Amino acid sequence: NAGVMQNPRHLVRRRGQEARLRCSPMKGHSHVYWYRQLPEEGLKFMVYLQKENIIDESGMPKERFSAEFPKEGPSILRIQQVVRGDSAAYFCASSPRRGYEQYFGPGTRLTVT
Amino acid sequence: KNEVEQSPQNLTAQEGEFITINCSYSVGISALHWLQQHPGGGIVSLFMLSSGKKKHGRLIATINIQEKHSSLHITASHPRDSAVYICAAPDDKIIFGKGTRLHILP
Repeated sequence: NAGVMQNPRHLVRRRGQEARLRCSPMKGHSHVYWYRQLPEEGLKFMVYLQKENIIDESGMPKERFSAEFPKEGPSILRIQQVVRGDSAAYFCASSPRRGYEQYFGPGTRLTVT
Repeated sequence: KNEVEQSPQNLTAQEGEFITINCSYSVGISALHWLQQHPGGGIVSLFMLSSGKKKHGRLIATINIQEKHSSLHITASHPRDSAVYICAAPDDKIIFGKGTRLHILP
């Protein structure tokens, strides 16, 4: 049973470009969470999704950021018109049900130049 | 005030020492999550517990839901235990402590 997969592992974007981060949850998990870790800081919640639904996006900036978890395929975190402050590690986690133990992916390290 | 507080923030110890990391939380939860983040950045789930104690190898986690306090213990610590240990209160959105940076000296 493969763990949570994220790709790419490293992503470099120039200011103004778009970044797309993908997360494939563990088999059987329909709940996905995205977190951001800024350099030298702790993890911060961004968004919680269940298949085809956004449950809680209170941690996600209102502009430029969006997330989806379609019926088929991975969850996508999309950052439009990236700025240097978006440089961070983005982790996703999945769980089989709300409130259950979450399993983390290896993260995507985004660098904006 | 952070809803999940960890102590200490940093801890350096000699190989073999018994390590304790504490976590106090103010939110109402039914379980607590302990995570380990390696120097390379990967995050591993260590424990999720809702009562009593859990043990996995040299790691032991305890929780007292009434007192809203949990501890993570490492017995016979080893340099490879060096990492950041994070407690988290899982809810719809998980609330993380700031982490305890542990450094075990050989």
